[in-house]
Amino acid sequence: LAKTTQPISMDSYEGQEVNITCSHNNIATNDYITWYQQFPSQGPRFIIQGYKTKVTNEVASLFIPADRKSSTLSLPRVSLSDTAVYYCLVGDPDSGGYQKVTFGIGTKLQVIP
Amino acid sequence: DTGVSQDPRHKITKRGQNVTFRCDPISEHNRLYWYRQTLGQGPEFLTYFQNEAQLEKSRLLSDRFSAERPKGSFSTLEIQRTEQGDSAMYLCASRLGGGMDTQYFGPGTRLTVL
Repeated sequence: LAKTTQPISMDSYEGQEVNITCSHNNIATNDYITWYQQFPSQGPRFIIQGYKTKVTNEVASLFIPADRKSSTLSLPRVSLSDTAVYYCLVGDPDSGGYQKVTFGIGTKLQVIP
Repeated sequence: DTGVSQDPRHKITKRGQNVTFRCDPISEHNRLYWYRQTLGQGPEFLTYFQNEAQLEKSRLLSDRFSAERPKGSFSTLEIQRTEQGDSAMYLCASRLGGGMDTQYFGPGTRLTVL
């Protein structure tokens, strides 16, 4: 299972765009990149998933360069309610092992008024 | 609300007691996962069911832990002879199947062992 590295914490002002980068140097061919968001005392919530290039949904964008050794979660115009921990996961969705990966510490995003 | 429910939401018990948690997944989801999360850490995988079959168990799941998913619907996680180190949030997640679909997590059960 691919190991991921992401910053432990980030601060941002309200209204700014936030980019959180995740490194996954040993990503495998069949691996997808998935990001989750977790608020205190709640379970993680799926944000976005991608394989390559760019994926965008109503919440975020995910940028994946050609070598796929890293990915960047982009949150446009953050608000206070985006204060949470963000986890980057890498794995093969068709493999039973996909969900066995430990989430890691994640990135604690603090949005400042 | 993701559609995955867990009961109870909080449990306080004394060391040595047994506890049981329940997870009700999204009804059509055939895969169910249990995770444990301690303060400041991300969720750690414990075990995984596909329908009623328990397919994977983490090394974290000691002999005091047992999980079941009778009939492939709800699941229970039991901890026998609880220890203070078992204090954590226990999360359940369900998933429809393979491919691009993702996990949906429940709100968790917060266990405190005194």
